[in-house]
Amino acid sequence: KAGVTQTPRYLIKTRGQQVTLSCSPISGHRSVSWYQQTPGQGLQFLFEYFSETQRNKGNFPGRFSGRQFSNSRSEMNVSTLELGDSALYLCASSSSSTGGAGNTIYFGEGSWLTVV
Amino acid sequence: GQNIDQPTEMTATEGAIVQINCTYQTSGFNGLFWYQQHAGEAPTFLSYNVLDGLEEKGRFSSFLSRSKGYSYLLLKELQMKDSASYLCAVSTRNGQAGTALIFGKGTTLSVSS
Repeated sequence: KAGVTQTPRYLIKTRGQQVTLSCSPISGHRSVSWYQQTPGQGLQFLFEYFSETQRNKGNFPGRFSGRQFSNSRSEMNVSTLELGDSALYLCASSSSSTGGAGNTIYFGEGSWLTVV
Repeated sequence: GQNIDQPTEMTATEGAIVQINCTYQTSGFNGLFWYQQHAGEAPTFLSYNVLDGLEEKGRFSSFLSRSKGYSYLLLKELQMKDSASYLCAVSTRNGQAGTALIFGKGTTLSVSS
């Protein structure tokens, strides 16, 4: 079956703009989470959604937001972009909100965002 | 606070065995994952441990000791394609049953011939 799909794969934005990234989870998966990966900080958790509800949120400013639709697809938005937002944004899905007990978390290929 | 430590870099030769250690201090422990990530690619799932002990899957094995906050990933019969970053991640859980993976900075493994 198809894996986690993220669009767009690459994008360049200017400081102050906003960006929306999209994620389609594996079919049947209801939990979607987002991560930011940078060379300096590594992979950092942004937020997690399950059945359209945000269940967990990392330590990122309010400029970072997300939502999940009834078909489990998810979007994340970053407003007022800063240079430091340049990163690989990864979406991950799993079949359960608990994330444990063997409910493997699968990652998409990611969206490379460059802010200039 | 949440903290996961693993070595930054390791080197090994083809055919050898390498052990990548990971120590963690987190709240709401709900299992530990190991991922492999090649440069420019997404992390790929390798293993998951939630109970103490060893999990074996082909050339890869992972061990967990919850009381010591310690895990390791063992790679046997190393191949050049195993050159990658290996990420240790702890699944944590908050009161609303939401989950998050807390990642270590990753261990870059270089395999030479």
